[in-house]
Amino acid sequence: AQTVTQSQPEMSVQEAETVTLSCTYDTSESNYYLFWYKQPPSRQMILVIRQEAYKQQNATENRFSVNFQKAAKSFSLKISDSQLGDTAMYFCAFLVPPGNTPLVFGKGTRLSVIA
Amino acid sequence: NAGVMQNPRHLVRRRGQEARLRCSPMKGHSHVYWYRQLPEEGLKFMVYLQKENIIDESGMPKERFSAEFPKEGPSILRIQQVVRGDSAAYFCASSPWIEAEQFFGPGTRLTVL
Repeated sequence: AQTVTQSQPEMSVQEAETVTLSCTYDTSESNYYLFWYKQPPSRQMILVIRQEAYKQQNATENRFSVNFQKAAKSFSLKISDSQLGDTAMYFCAFLVPPGNTPLVFGKGTRLSVIA
Repeated sequence: NAGVMQNPRHLVRRRGQEARLRCSPMKGHSHVYWYRQLPEEGLKFMVYLQKENIIDESGMPKERFSAEFPKEGPSILRIQQVVRGDSAAYFCASSPWIEAEQFFGPGTRLTVL
């Protein structure tokens, strides 16, 4: 069974600074997808970034980038130039294609951006 | 193109009543997933459906919970004889095919008194 671990229940960062959220996972599969979702106080789940395991290049989306270390089974999220609107719960998630497998989520990291 | 719709957004039920949660996937999406989020927890998979078929219900409690996705209309998650432990946020997600990104609805917050 796949598991996702987020070891930082809470983090805080000053506005405009950079913060890194950690995520590790456990799987015996070689092909899979990894995601970071953001859940602001509205509780809407918003996809932040996605990484395919077969791609060596780390995904980036504007101020968000990942450090994907496949051998270490690590998938951290870096947020640059943090903004107040980045305050939210962040969930790391994992999916094994193809087939009828759902997303497996970590327990989340609560990020607070401080002015 | 409207996103995934869920209603109601908030639902209050007394113990023993039935709860019906609705999910309309994005246009063109035929795969629907239901997840449950307990307070201070991540989302946990419950059930995966395609039109008129339950594909995987391994995350759904064996009793009191059922789900359907009819040929016409929204997907329904039904909880019979609710108990306080059913209080949670229930999220629906849809995708156009199995490997694609899942798009989430805003969730239904169920409170059982």
